[in-house]
Amino acid sequence: DTAVSQTPKYLVTQMGNDKSIKCEQNLGHDTMYWYKQDSKKFLKIMFSYNNKELIINETVPNRFSPKSPDKAHLNLHINSLELGDSAVYFCASSQDGTAVYGYTFGSGTRLTVV
Amino acid sequence: TQLLEQSPQFLSIQEGENLTVYCNSSSVFSSLQWYRQEPGEGPVLLVTVVTGGEVKKLKRLTFQFGDARKDSSLHITAAQPGDTGLYLCAPSGDYKLSFGAGTTVTVRA
Repeated sequence: DTAVSQTPKYLVTQMGNDKSIKCEQNLGHDTMYWYKQDSKKFLKIMFSYNNKELIINETVPNRFSPKSPDKAHLNLHINSLELGDSAVYFCASSQDGTAVYGYTFGSGTRLTVV
Repeated sequence: TQLLEQSPQFLSIQEGENLTVYCNSSSVFSSLQWYRQEPGEGPVLLVTVVTGGEVKKLKRLTFQFGDARKDSSLHITAAQPGDTGLYLCAPSGDYKLSFGAGTTVTVRA
């Protein structure tokens, strides 16, 4: 049973399109995150949610809109995709915001904008 | 914003050799986590260190937290190809972990 699952694994789309990435965790965690990993493997926080509430928006363009229908799901919708959005996007969860027990990551969604 | 440096950026060694990677900052960490990311996968937690001077062992991996809690190291003994991956350190932070740039380790058979 996958703990944090995100779909799709690969996404290739044209500039200007709108796309969504879905994430679900079955760990009963309160906190979920979206991270972006660029071509140099640098992993940067985008958003964090706690019990469906937005806690952190790390100066992400408003073309990116996360939505958390319940604490087990955190989806990411991206409008008007740009070439620079190409990256691997990781969803993660932790028991709470302190992450004392660490993060559990999904296996990533590789987004390619052409 | 604390500046977090990981070194070296890349490390390629032969199977059976030892290696050490470092994570340094000018700031004091309340705790620090190490993760390993294999190609095509998300990072996986290896260890959390909390106390200054702490040493934790995980099979052939030894993690050390500096006395002043500003630095940490990961030592791998007798590296194996399965140890290949991106090693990331991240100091704790409420509702976000801020990762270092990582060390890419390649262990050649």
